[in-house]
Amino acid sequence: AQSVTQLGSHVSVSEGALVLLRCNYSSSVPPYLFWYVQYPNQGLQLLLKYTSAATLVKGINGFEAEFKKSETSFHLTKPSAHMSDAAEYFCAVTKFGNEKLTFGTGTRLTIIP
Amino acid sequence: DVKVTQSSRYLVKRTGEKVFLECVQDMDHENMFWYRQDPGLGLRLIYFSYDVKMKEKGDIPEGYSVSREKKERFSLILESASTNQTSMYLCASSVYLNRDSNYEQYFGPGTRLTVT
Repeated sequence: AQSVTQLGSHVSVSEGALVLLRCNYSSSVPPYLFWYVQYPNQGLQLLLKYTSAATLVKGINGFEAEFKKSETSFHLTKPSAHMSDAAEYFCAVTKFGNEKLTFGTGTRLTIIP
Repeated sequence: DVKVTQSSRYLVKRTGEKVFLECVQDMDHENMFWYRQDPGLGLRLIYFSYDVKMKEKGDIPEGYSVSREKKERFSLILESASTNQTSMYLCASSVYLNRDSNYEQYFGPGTRLTVT
């Protein structure tokens, strides 16, 4: 079975500071990994995904994530936080041939002015 | 642009009522999904459909059923609503994973259901 763990249900950073949201996965086969963002009262929007190509993945809004097999991690980063980044972020995992995503419990990001 | 729409943004129902949540996608996707989102629990899969009239149980199917009579439409049914089904319900759609390695699920805006 596959699973993801998101460390920290709430993260606060100052505007302009580094954003780091952690995601560790468990999978017996090469995973496909995703980060989604949910703004208040909206559905989920894909930020970026890893599907076995380049290990450093760049997404929308200046976010990126690095797949590290040795650490079973797929942490999300952004060099400089913006007020508009305040949202909830979800990490998800699947594998080739499995249509279903398994989601983490989410991390709510707050930006301090 | 892929568009997934859900019939209601907010819904209030009474205990014991039969509730229908409708989802429509306009991208000819084969797969459709219903998730439930609760604080601290993330998204949990209720049901999944990989073709018309085909369905598969997810992680929490109890108390729910689904219907997919047309490719673009996937309905979630609460046969007898209970207060513990108060939640945010999200619909999603996708192509087959092995048809397109550029896989992602596209989500609707959600329906916030309150059962009183």
